[in-house]
Amino acid sequence: NAGVTQTPKFRVLKTGQSMTLLCAQDMNHEYMYWYRQDPGMGLRLIHYSVGEGTTAKGEVPDGYNVSRLKKQNFLLGLESAAPSQTSVYFCASSRPRTSAKTYNEQFFGPGTRLTVL
Amino acid sequence: GQQVMQIPQYQHVQEGEDFTTYCNSSTTLSNIQWYKQRPGGHPVFLIQLVKSGEVKKQKRLTFQFGEAKKNSSLHITATQTTDVGTYFCTIMNRDDKIIFGKGTRLHILP
Repeated sequence: NAGVTQTPKFRVLKTGQSMTLLCAQDMNHEYMYWYRQDPGMGLRLIHYSVGEGTTAKGEVPDGYNVSRLKKQNFLLGLESAAPSQTSVYFCASSRPRTSAKTYNEQFFGPGTRLTVL
Repeated sequence: GQQVMQIPQYQHVQEGEDFTTYCNSSTTLSNIQWYKQRPGGHPVFLIQLVKSGEVKKQKRLTFQFGEAKKNSSLHITATQTTDVGTYFCTIMNRDDKIIFGKGTRLHILP
């Protein structure tokens, strides 16, 4: 099993360009997440999905859109990239919550390093 | 929104010394998770704590959840070079969104 994969691994964009980051998981997980990681900031949740066809906003959703057309894929789009979106982007997946008190272990992809000039 | 404070931000220890990182919340938590991220790598799940006062051990790692469920700690006994990395705690806030602490970066001096 490949687990969680992300493409591309690296990308350089100019301000105003658009791109899509692809995340794929082969663990049949219901939940998927997109995070960004900046130095000294930890990981911040951008958007997440609790199932095929559903998405929801996280902590820092502005400037990003997502789609979950297939259960195994979660796409993150930048319509008009800005230098502030220079970051490392991680995708993760998990099994659904089984109770209101717990959330399950997340499995992370290797990350995409994006630079916006 | 609800945040979790993680301290210290950085820690340098001699190989063989102990290491502890702490996470603190102003509100009661339903549970807390810990992750480790090696330099250049991705976060990897270590453990989840749910019960008040819970203590769990994984070899040289000891995880504790406070009695009031507002704080947690990760303690590493006799650090090794393989322990290098950043340790994160994560919580779920009132809006059911996952929040990561800013992490503690552990550096081992040989």
